[in-house]
Amino acid sequence: SQKIEQNSEALNIQEGKTATLTCNYTNYSPAYLQWYRQDPGRGPVFLLLIRENEKEKRKERLKVTFDTTLKQSLFHITASQPADSATYLCALTSGTYKYIFGTGTRLKVLA
Amino acid sequence: DAGVIQSPRHEVTEMGQEVTLRCKPISGHDYLFWYRQTMMRGLELLIYFNNNVPIDDSGMPEDRFSAKMPNASFSTLKIQPSEPRDSAVYFCASSSSGGYHEQYFGPGTRLTVT
Repeated sequence: SQKIEQNSEALNIQEGKTATLTCNYTNYSPAYLQWYRQDPGRGPVFLLLIRENEKEKRKERLKVTFDTTLKQSLFHITASQPADSATYLCALTSGTYKYIFGTGTRLKVLA
Repeated sequence: DAGVIQSPRHEVTEMGQEVTLRCKPISGHDYLFWYRQTMMRGLELLIYFNNNVPIDDSGMPEDRFSAKMPNASFSTLKIQPSEPRDSAVYFCASSSSGGYHEQYFGPGTRLTVT
């Protein structure tokens, strides 16, 4: 069955460092992959979308890579700040609007 | 725009009661999604609509769950009868076919069934 795995353990990093979050998938051929941010008590907020034929996408301090051979996406936050602390979710689709979400990784940036 | 609006924000009900969750999508968006989020299972898609028509309801867990979208600005998710295992946060999200698939989520309804 289709499976998306994100680090269930929280990731703690020092302010100013680069945070790297991983999204692995199996039994799936996604056409699009998205990353969302979710703060406690709130709904997810869209950050970036990357297509299967794109290797990398950037937006300000954010960078996403997509390796369809490794079946993996990496999400980087450079020069991390305490305000970046949140849970980050990856989501995949084969091309429709039906997205499957990972369970998310909680990031904590320490001042 | 006010964003996606959901009501109520919190609902506490007893097992066996009917629960109705409401959603107003962002004006102009032609896709609407209902999700359920729990610690154990994460964010699960229950059903989604395009132009008020249900496209995929394969995530609806049981016949106790039903969803409607009578017009472009309103949708409901109903659970009848409710059970304790339905306790979760239910999110509504909307999206535009003219965009990049990004979904705009509402604040969610926290449902507790005792």
